Amino acid sequence: QAGLTQPPSVSKGLRQTATLTCSGDSNNVGNDGATWLQHHQGHPPKLLSYRNNNRPSGISERFSASRSGNTASLTITGLQPEDEADYYCSAWDPSLGAWVFGGGTKLTVL
Amino acid sequence: EVQLVESGGGLVQPGGSLRLSCAASGFIFSNYEMNWVRQAPGKGLEWVSYINGGGSTRYYADSVKGRFTISRDNAQSSLFLQMNSLRAEDTAVYYCAREGSGAPAGFEYWGHGTLVTVSS
Repeated sequence: QAGLTQPPSVSKGLRQTATLTCSGDSNNVGNDGATWLQHHQGHPPKLLSYRNNNRPSGISERFSASRSGNTASLTITGLQPEDEADYYCSAWDPSLGAWVFGGGTKLTVL
Repeated sequence: EVQLVESGGGLVQPGGSLRLSCAASGFIFSNYEMNWVRQAPGKGLEWVSYINGGGSTRYYADSVKGRFTISRDNAQSSLFLQMNSLRAEDTAVYYCAREGSGAPAGFEYWGHGTLVTVSS
């Protein structure tokens, strides 16, 4: 099962804006959209967004997601030290009968 | 409050078997699709298996197909993963994850994970 494509790392300054990308195909990201997870090592992952830009309750409005074609994006505004984490995109692929994940992007807040 | 608590991890030799459990509480278990997701040391998240609310539909990653079996007991609000023919590359933290409402809605709730180590 081929995975989604994410850049391995992104670095941005405090209070800046970071945009993370996730590329898939028409069977997954281009179909039902992507979900985004934040993962601090040693803790369970946290769902930030699903089906492109639906935020679970309790997730800050600083996190917003979008999709253009087969590429999904997560934008984080006003970066804070606690935003430093690994970010994963995932999408359901009905042609595979599988959830596919990106390799993750390590976000560093300088 | 939604809670997912995994158990059953440990050290097992290559070729061995292990059964993971996930005890759920705080929601109507049978109403939700459930998954197992794992993270190998130094690697990213990898989806392992899915089961629908009634237990009639199951999907597996190619890497575990034919070796792992997902199941659930809705009366006991429990999820299971039977892992056979274990390999070194199955070494990982295994998470139980509940999807949100209105599939596919992503992995909304996660347990803290249980570590499986496959080594001689």
